[in-house]
Amino acid sequence: QVQLVQSGAEVKKPGSSVKVSCKASGGTFRNYGISWVRQAPGQGLEWMGGTIPIFGTPEYAQKFQGRVTITADESTGRAYMELSSLKSEDTAVYYCARDKEDTAMVYYIDSWGQGTLVIVSS
Amino acid sequence: EIVMTQSPATLSVSPGESATLSCRASQSVRTSLAWYQQKPGQPPRVLIYGASTRATGVPARFSGSGSGTEFTLTISSLQSEDFAVYYCQQYNNWPKTFGQGTKVEIK
Repeated sequence: QVQLVQSGAEVKKPGSSVKVSCKASGGTFRNYGISWVRQAPGQGLEWMGGTIPIFGTPEYAQKFQGRVTITADESTGRAYMELSSLKSEDTAVYYCARDKEDTAMVYYIDSWGQGTLVIVSS
Repeated sequence: EIVMTQSPATLSVSPGESATLSCRASQSVRTSLAWYQQKPGQPPRVLIYGASTRATGVPARFSGSGSGTEFTLTISSLQSEDFAVYYCQQYNNWPKTFGQGTKVEIK
């Protein structure tokens, strides 16, 4: 059973950037996609962007265009999400998630990381 | 962007009863619809994908139905561990949007 292991919590100043990493333990991202989803305190889930398959061209939600970059390092099996120009409203738990192909050849999330808390505060 | 609308926002149910959660898409997503369960302090976990296929290890009391724009998650005979927040997500189109969630609480 794959486990997605994310990097630890971060505290950032407004205007700075944060880079969160995600590694598949006991499995691989090969032949899978990846999504990044965030959840502000007490709020719902918000899809930020993703790739299919993992080393393909990323797609981003309009809301984050220009501020988010999703990358992957095939040699280390890690995926990364970098969010720039941070604001207090970006305080949230950020999840990486593995996307698996279903029978209709579209990709749904089948595994989630444990989440990384990012606090943006001056 | 496809807007996903879940109803109701909160559902109060007694243990042993069934619960029916709805999810509507602003345009057709075919059957590219997943349901996730999230408990406090935990990441979500997938229950249903392809609108009606249970994920590995998901109890048979969870069932999904629908296609196009209207979807339903039914939980029969609710157990204590089923009280949680449930999200639908369409993955037919970018961006892969989520509904706002339905909280299933103990009545």
